[in-house]
Amino acid sequence: ENVLTQSPGTLSLSPGERATLSCRASQSVSRSYLAWYQQKSGQAPRLLIYGASSRATGIPDRFSGSGSGTDFTLTISRLEPEDFAVYYCQQYGSFPLTFGPGTKVDIK
Amino acid sequence: QLQQSGPGLVKPSQTLSVTCAISGDSVSSNSGVWNWIRQSPSRGLEWLGRTYYRSKWSNDYAVSVKSRISINSDTSKNQISLQLNSVTPEDTAVYYCARDLPGTDSFDIWGQGTMVTVSS
Repeated sequence: ENVLTQSPGTLSLSPGERATLSCRASQSVSRSYLAWYQQKSGQAPRLLIYGASSRATGIPDRFSGSGSGTDFTLTISRLEPEDFAVYYCQQYGSFPLTFGPGTKVDIK
Repeated sequence: QLQQSGPGLVKPSQTLSVTCAISGDSVSSNSGVWNWIRQSPSRGLEWLGRTYYRSKWSNDYAVSVKSRISINSDTSKNQISLQLNSVTPEDTAVYYCARDLPGTDSFDIWGQGTMVTVSS
């Protein structure tokens, strides 16, 4: 099983600042099959990024993904008030499909 | 859109059942892949399994639940269902159905979630 770890656990930032979230895999993620999700309290996760760097439909361009192999990054260029949430990475390069434990982005 | 339904409370050793009604797509489309995922504070987000139709129906299940899980489809109602047998309190979670983004195994459409508590 490809275990994903995310850092930091919590990121405290102000609106307008840049957020950099990390996802590390225990094994190389085949073909960079890595996705990022945003989840707000009481809601289902929302797909932001797939294939490590492709934005899903309707996702603003302040969200960007990068990385390959075992190290991936989600960057939010300028935080908007609605971006404060929990972010998860997920790998789909191998079965079982696995998720990271999440990074909470909260308001400083 | 995915609309879930199911009981919120299940007794230990019994069977958990949740249904996911699909609108705007067909459960038997040749590109559709339909998943069940759960989320709990102790286990985080956990993929449980999936079903899809490619000339015949196929299922894949997570090893952690493989002996207890069944995912079925009902083409007449355009829905999928999850059954998890012999539940324990550790199966308490929010259960989600989700569709694969076509061509990937990431999830672009999710149900609203069903909170299931296992308790006597």
